[in-house]
Amino acid sequence: LAKTTQPISMDSYEGQEVNITCSHNNIATNDYITWYQQFPSQGPRFIIQGYKTKVTNEVASLFIPADRKSSTLSLPRVSLSDTAVYYCLARRWAGNNRKLIWGLGTSLAVNP
Amino acid sequence: IAGITQAPTSQILAAGRRMTLRCTQDMRHNAMYWYRQDLGLGLRLIHYSNTAGTTGKGEVPDGYSVSRANTDDFPLTLASAVPSQTSVYFCASSDSGTGSYNEQFFGPGTRLTVL
Repeated sequence: LAKTTQPISMDSYEGQEVNITCSHNNIATNDYITWYQQFPSQGPRFIIQGYKTKVTNEVASLFIPADRKSSTLSLPRVSLSDTAVYYCLARRWAGNNRKLIWGLGTSLAVNP
Repeated sequence: IAGITQAPTSQILAAGRRMTLRCTQDMRHNAMYWYRQDLGLGLRLIHYSNTAGTTGKGEVPDGYSVSRANTDDFPLTLASAVPSQTSVYFCASSDSGTGSYNEQFFGPGTRLTVL
């Protein structure tokens, strides 16, 4: 299963677009990429999931190139409330076996 | 109950003691998970259950056991706690199956300190 690697921290300002990239060089055919957001003293919360190309929802976009060795979470026009830790997750369901490999998280600080 | 709950919220435990962390969900999700979260190590899967009556080992299962007697409950037991099990523990649930969409819903966590 793919090992996921992401930057430890990032800084941004309100209103800017933030892109967080996750590297997963050994990604396999059955692996999906999911991103979660976590605030202090809370459990992670699902943001977006994709397999390839681009996925967009009401809060974020996820870009996965054709080789699928990386993925980029894009947060448009961040606000102070987007200050959180963002996790990249490679997951695989293979029959009854589940493999879930989480990145170590990217701590995003949004400044006024 | 709304969503997924965990108990206790926090606990200080003497080494060698037995401890069970409780997790209950009311979303009728088939799959449930236990993670531990440690500074610098991120989230690591301890055990999971695809459906009631079945369990599987995750990345760091040693020293922990789970059971899944019904759909709603998924307790995690530390038979003889050690200081290295000091951590924040999160329970999660999701729809099971082989479909591509399996969003996990997390509980609020249990902060466990083993002295």
